[in-house]
Amino acid sequence: KAGVTQTPRYLIKTRGQQVTLSCSPISGHRSVSWYQQTPGQGLQFLFEYFSETQRNKGNFPGRFSGRQFSNSRSEMNVSTLELGDSALYLCASSLRQNQETQYFGPGTRLLVL
Amino acid sequence: AQKVTQAQTEISVVEKEDVTLDCVYETRDTTYYLFWYKQPPSGELVFLIRRNSFDEQNEISGRYSWNFQKSTSSFNFTITASQVVDSAVYFCALSWREYGNKLVFGAGTILRVKS
Repeated sequence: KAGVTQTPRYLIKTRGQQVTLSCSPISGHRSVSWYQQTPGQGLQFLFEYFSETQRNKGNFPGRFSGRQFSNSRSEMNVSTLELGDSALYLCASSLRQNQETQYFGPGTRLLVL
Repeated sequence: AQKVTQAQTEISVVEKEDVTLDCVYETRDTTYYLFWYKQPPSGELVFLIRRNSFDEQNEISGRYSWNFQKSTSSFNFTITASQVVDSAVYFCALSWREYGNKLVFGAGTILRVKS
């Protein structure tokens, strides 16, 4: 079974731009979560989607948004990029919606200049 | 509030040494899950183990073993006879009943195994 895939793997943007990251979960998995990883803040939860509905949201500004499609694929969007948004963005999928094991993708490394 | 503490920032060992990575957690929930993940230089988080709050049995998987003690809120991870390929960042994480699949991670422990 194929793992979680994320595209693109690397991205360079400038301040003020917006970016969309994509995540395809493991086949059959219906929950997708997003995490931001930075050297200073570590791994932080962004949001979780299940059956196209956002179930949980972390403590991030409204510039961070996401959605999930009927095939469970998910996208996250960051608008008006700031230098501090430079990070590794990790997507994880799990079978169900509560305290399941999450399997992570390779991440998208975003650099904001 | 839920919190995971990994006090060891970095550990260096020589190949074939045993090494224990510490993890202390805080939660008021009685139903929760603890996890360990490995992050090699490639960046992907690799799942190692999941343990629920009602199962305090220790677990051994090859060279890996985990010691869960609710009395001390600890979930420590031991690698026996370490190998260079074990070099990575190891994260302990917590999820709890009221918050879906959200994981709270510790800061991670960098393990360097030298040949």
